[in-house]
Amino acid sequence: NAGVTQTPKFQVLKTGQSMTLQCAQDMNHNSMYWYRQDPGMGLRLIYYSASEGTTDKGEVPNGYNVSRLNKREFSLRLESAAPSQTSVYFCASIGGNSPLHFGNGTRLTVT
Amino acid sequence: AQRVTQPEKLLSVFKGAPVELKCNYSYSGSPELFWYVQYSRQRLQLLLRHISRESIKGFTADLNKGETSFHLKKPFAQEEDSAMYYCALSGGAGNMLTFGGGTRLMVKP
Repeated sequence: NAGVTQTPKFQVLKTGQSMTLQCAQDMNHNSMYWYRQDPGMGLRLIYYSASEGTTDKGEVPNGYNVSRLNKREFSLRLESAAPSQTSVYFCASIGGNSPLHFGNGTRLTVT
Repeated sequence: AQRVTQPEKLLSVFKGAPVELKCNYSYSGSPELFWYVQYSRQRLQLLLRHISRESIKGFTADLNKGETSFHLKKPFAQEEDSAMYYCALSGGAGNMLTFGGGTRLMVKP
């Protein structure tokens, strides 16, 4: 039981490049989330998926897209990276009465 | 709209001193409140939730609906308590969590 697994752990992109952050959970949770963590800003919700097949915008969705591929996987895509997207990205999942489980995070730098 | 405010970005105390990390919220319904902690180089993890009314690692938090607060307290801080603490509120579809800006607690020897 690995919990929430995120890949990659680190990534450096040039402005305009694209990439996909992968997230998978093995806890059979219905809801999954993508947050970004910035100094002084806390954790801000980018997108979430309340259940398989649904996705909704969070607080800061601009510049991102998501795909809930199946119940286990929820990916975050940056089509054209910008320096403002330099951040640490966390995937999380929740189900039933369980607390929110976080992945280890992806540290992304856009130059 | 739901909002969580943690007024202190940094709180520095000496070992053995009492600690209170403040959290205020705004939410129109009945909220569920949480404290999450992130130790250095580790993932975020749940510290406690108000519905459990439990004490974890000596920390407690009481939901005060009148003051819309959920402050985290510990009577005697330890060096290993040094970490980033996030207050969070659950509400809306899909158990969406809204986080405060976080407070970095530094416990000095």
